[in-house]
Amino acid sequence: QVQLVESGGSVVQPGTSLRLSCEVSGLTFSGSGFHWVRQAPGKGLEWVAVIWFDGSKTYYADSVKGRFTISRDNSKNTVYLQMNSLRAEDTAMYYCAKDRGTYHFDYWGQGTLVTVSS
Amino acid sequence: EIVLTQSPATLSLSPGERATLSCRASQSVSSFFAWYQQRPGQAPRLLIYDVSKRATGIPARFSGSGSGADFTLTISSLEPEDFAIYYCQQRGNWPELTFGGGTKVEIK
Repeated sequence: QVQLVESGGSVVQPGTSLRLSCEVSGLTFSGSGFHWVRQAPGKGLEWVAVIWFDGSKTYYADSVKGRFTISRDNSKNTVYLQMNSLRAEDTAMYYCAKDRGTYHFDYWGQGTLVTVSS
Repeated sequence: EIVLTQSPATLSLSPGERATLSCRASQSVSSFFAWYQQRPGQAPRLLIYDVSKRATGIPARFSGSGSGADFTLTISSLEPEDFAIYYCQQRGNWPELTFGGGTKVEIK
């Protein structure tokens, strides 16, 4: 079955960096686009970034543009989110999600928690 | 930015009752419109995509409708596992993807 497994979440200080990973199995990885979606504690969902199936295009929410970078390694079936200059407001559960082809998210991982605190 | 406003914020109902959840966009949006369910401690799950199409494995008691700026998720008869938070989501002005603030369906 399809599985998305995130990792890399941690407690970090403001201004530092962190890289999240999302390992995917059970589907044709190189044929799918992937997103990162986050959820602050007790809050709603916020789309963060997307990467095309071949990595040719990436897009970001304004709140993370210039600080976060999404990438993928099709040889490792893994999607990454490099997060730089972290802020307290980046504290959230970060979910990796597959795009079903129409800008909706049909498979989700269980999430990895990022806490930015001094 | 297109804003999605969900109402009500909380819906208190009993098992077996019908639930009607609303999502209104700040301007007309495309048909790339979806609904998700999130149970406590779990990741969201896709219920409805492209306004009215049920995702794989979603029971027929869930249905979506709407157009323009007004969309509705209906649960025809609530089961115990349906008490959760529901989010709407739209593509909007690509690459902008936005979610509504959520509606919590709780047991009355």
